[in-house]
Amino acid sequence: QVHLVQSGGGAVQPGGSLRFSCAASGFIFSNYTMHWLRQAPGKGLEWVAVISSDGTNTYYAAAVKGRFTISRDNSKNTLFLQMNGLTNDDTALYYCARDHREGGRSYYFGYWGQGTLVTVSS
Amino acid sequence: ENVLTQSPATLSMSPGERATLTCGASQSVGTNIAWYQQRRGQAPRLLIYDASNRATGIPARFSGSGSGTDFTLTISGLEPEDFAVYYCQQRYNWPWTFGRGTKVEIK
Repeated sequence: QVHLVQSGGGAVQPGGSLRFSCAASGFIFSNYTMHWLRQAPGKGLEWVAVISSDGTNTYYAAAVKGRFTISRDNSKNTLFLQMNGLTNDDTALYYCARDHREGGRSYYFGYWGQGTLVTVSS
Repeated sequence: ENVLTQSPATLSMSPGERATLTCGASQSVGTNIAWYQQRRGQAPRLLIYDASNRATGIPARFSGSGSGTDFTLTISGLEPEDFAVYYCQQRYNWPWTFGRGTKVEIK
């Protein structure tokens, strides 16, 4: 059974940094493209970043490009998101998600983690 | 950015009824649309991809249709666990975008 278990997150002041992780199990992690998405309080879903299965290719939403870094450690079946230069607009519930397609990129989000809350406030 | 508009924002239904949710895209996306269900306090779950294909384990009462700019998610015979928020998502134009959601609530 597919499991994505997130850890990290919390409260941080504007300009601060956070890093959280997403531990995967129940599937061959190195075969899947992985994503981060977020959901601001009372708002809809927003795609944030994607990383290829081997970690060599990454893409970011314009709102986070240059501040966030997605990475992965396939030997530990773990996905990461490093967030720097945080602003109030980054306050959201962050989800890791597995791409729907094995061995490719469907850009549909087949399985999701439980979510990690990030609160940016002074 | 391809804007997805979902309607209605809220749908008040009774268990057993048929629910029809719509999603309109500001630019044509072919059939590159997915639907997700988000129950209260839970992460979203993929229901439908490529407009009409049910994801693994999704009951047959969920069906999707449409192409181009107009899409529909139909739930034929609402079960108690189906009362949730539903989102559409397109993958045709980068960045991939979601609609604002339709909440299906108990009448």
